[in-house]
Amino acid sequence: RKEVEQDPGPFNVPEGATVAFNCTYSNSASQSFFWYRQDCRKEPKLLMSVYSSGNEDGRFTAQLNRASQYISLLIRDSKLSDSATYLCVVNMGGNSGGSNYKLTFGKGTLLTVNP
Amino acid sequence: SAVISQKPSRDICQRGTSLTIQCQVDSQVTMMFWYRQQPGQSLTLIATANQGSEATYESGFVIDKFPISRPNLTFSTLTVSNMSPEDSSIYLCSVGVGGNSPLHFGNGTRLTVT
Repeated sequence: RKEVEQDPGPFNVPEGATVAFNCTYSNSASQSFFWYRQDCRKEPKLLMSVYSSGNEDGRFTAQLNRASQYISLLIRDSKLSDSATYLCVVNMGGNSGGSNYKLTFGKGTLLTVNP
Repeated sequence: SAVISQKPSRDICQRGTSLTIQCQVDSQVTMMFWYRQQPGQSLTLIATANQGSEATYESGFVIDKFPISRPNLTFSTLTVSNMSPEDSSIYLCSVGVGGNSPLHFGNGTRLTVT
């Protein structure tokens, strides 16, 4: 099983659509989880952290299922500007500040929102 | 979040030469890391840059090829030594501030080796 595995994509959706990305991780001891967004030829930027209780930020909802080692990102009412690669990121080690903090990145899922 | 300045932003180098990439942060940070992103791939961790001591390298990366310095809590360098075309990639500096916080990235160095 890959350490962090994402939907391969690509996703092509019309404006206003709802789209969901899924991600699984292999290490049950993983401590923290994130979704990053990467625009073409740019560095990754944090979209949101993922909390155990699930969390929402505007049109974006992230959920974590520790039992299934599964993370999801839901984008509602998608905009043209949402077009990007979405990276699922897992801290496979312990807390940062310790010697085993290690963010592992999924391969990313490319989303294109069409007018 | 911290402002991370990475330079150069891009370079074209001849095989066999070396390039040093600098990463400067506008505030002290606990953790600094160097990642590589090869064309069409996701990010791969090269090493953790440890302040005042040798970097901690991931499997497949060695100090002779990727020497790293971190003299203080705001600055680090990564050198890509004896370059070959396979080293053509984007190299990214990232920083973290502790706890279970996420990392933030510099704007990357796009390296092409001819």
